[in-house]
Amino acid sequence: DAGITQSPRYKITETGRQVTLMCHQTWSHSYMFWYRQDLGHGLRLIYYSAAADITDKGEVPDGYVVSRSKTENFPLTLESATRSQTSVYFCASTPGQVTYEQYFGPGTRLTVT
Amino acid sequence: GDSVTQMEGPVTLSEEAFLTINCTYTATGYPSLFWYVQYPGEGLQLLLKATKADDKGSNKGFEATYRKETTSFHLEKGSVQVSDSAVYFCALNSGGYQKVTFGTGTKLQVIP
Repeated sequence: DAGITQSPRYKITETGRQVTLMCHQTWSHSYMFWYRQDLGHGLRLIYYSAAADITDKGEVPDGYVVSRSKTENFPLTLESATRSQTSVYFCASTPGQVTYEQYFGPGTRLTVT
Repeated sequence: GDSVTQMEGPVTLSEEAFLTINCTYTATGYPSLFWYVQYPGEGLQLLLKATKADDKGSNKGFEATYRKETTSFHLEKGSVQVSDSAVYFCALNSGGYQKVTFGTGTKLQVIP
């Protein structure tokens, strides 16, 4: 299917475990993003990427790692999950033309117990 | 730095009522402005946008006008439907692909 997909859609993990959230887009957009959405905080940028092998920190990067070996994939890894990382995670992409409007995936709801 | 302020929700309206969701911003330069909508269980999707002062963005009966003098981009719809129930986010981009700032969102509930 065309568009941007995320997997898994729901995940429950234990404190201290490593977990990877996947993001895949079929538009060949250069730019990709990871956000977390929490009540009272809106959307906060975790990491972003301008192209394959180019990534940079956003507003709340601590405890997360990203990689981008291929343009279409942008996985987010929680190296040692904590309860404070319980959230809904959204991946987004943009073609980066003029207005930089973003296209979002359906989200992954992560619960850390 | 850039910021977006939206009215607090939730906003509850009866079907066919008039909707206004206020959005004001602080930004350097001449930002592009957006409204995104998030339906339950889904990601955000672009509703409308405006790229310069006095531009009006419109889509699905929703409208918003870029007002530089008041630094505002209020969302309006003349007659809301139950299917418009969602969370609405105002956002701006002040230059560069990574420089998107989102408001905290306003939840709209439309009752029959």
